[in-house]
Amino acid sequence: EVKLLESGGGLVQPGGSLRLSCAASGFTFTDFYMSWIRQPPGKAPEWLGVIRNKANGYTTEYNPSVKGRFTISRDNTQNILYLQMNTLRAEDTAIYYCARQQLFDYWGQGVMVTVSS
Amino acid sequence: DVVLTQTPVSLLISLGGQASISCRSSQSLVHSNGNTYLHWYLQKPGQSPQLLIYQVSNRFSGIPDRFSGSGSGTDFTLKISRVEPEDLGVYYCLQRTHNPLTFGSGTKLEIK
Repeated sequence: EVKLLESGGGLVQPGGSLRLSCAASGFTFTDFYMSWIRQPPGKAPEWLGVIRNKANGYTTEYNPSVKGRFTISRDNTQNILYLQMNTLRAEDTAIYYCARQQLFDYWGQGVMVTVSS
Repeated sequence: DVVLTQTPVSLLISLGGQASISCRSSQSLVHSNGNTYLHWYLQKPGQSPQLLIYQVSNRFSGIPDRFSGSGSGTDFTLKISRVEPEDLGVYYCLQRTHNPLTFGSGTKLEIK
């Protein structure tokens, strides 16, 4: 059974940093592109970026809205996806999901990040 | 960025009725490889989005045939027939043809 479990969310002050993790199981992690998506309360989801699979060299691509502040990485020995978020702003407040791209067929349950003083 | 406009914003449908949701794109969603990467998701209250339809018209595993997708180019439609209580939630379209990937603004389905 495919499972994705995010962790690391919480309250952070503006300008601060946070690293989210997504533990994956039930599939061959290195075969898949993995993405991060966020959803502000009551709004539509926003795709943040992707890290490709082994066959595509684990390269990354980002939404320009977060490029330069957010970094996606993966630990392929432990099957963990990461999202490093720096210089956080109030508008980054959202539920953050990891999902398996290309179909976004499996999503984690999400983790809340609140940026506030 | 590609803008996906969903209409209507909300739907109130009787049990057993039919719902139709439109997703219009600001650009053609036909990829250079000939595929069209337009997917549909349902987000039930308090849950993560779940995949219903991928690449316009393909039902994901376990999705009943009450759900169907159609369209081409810039205009796409999700139809739900014989609406059931578990169909309530917000429906989103997503395009993966152009970077950055973008979601529609959502259509909320409520049951009468």
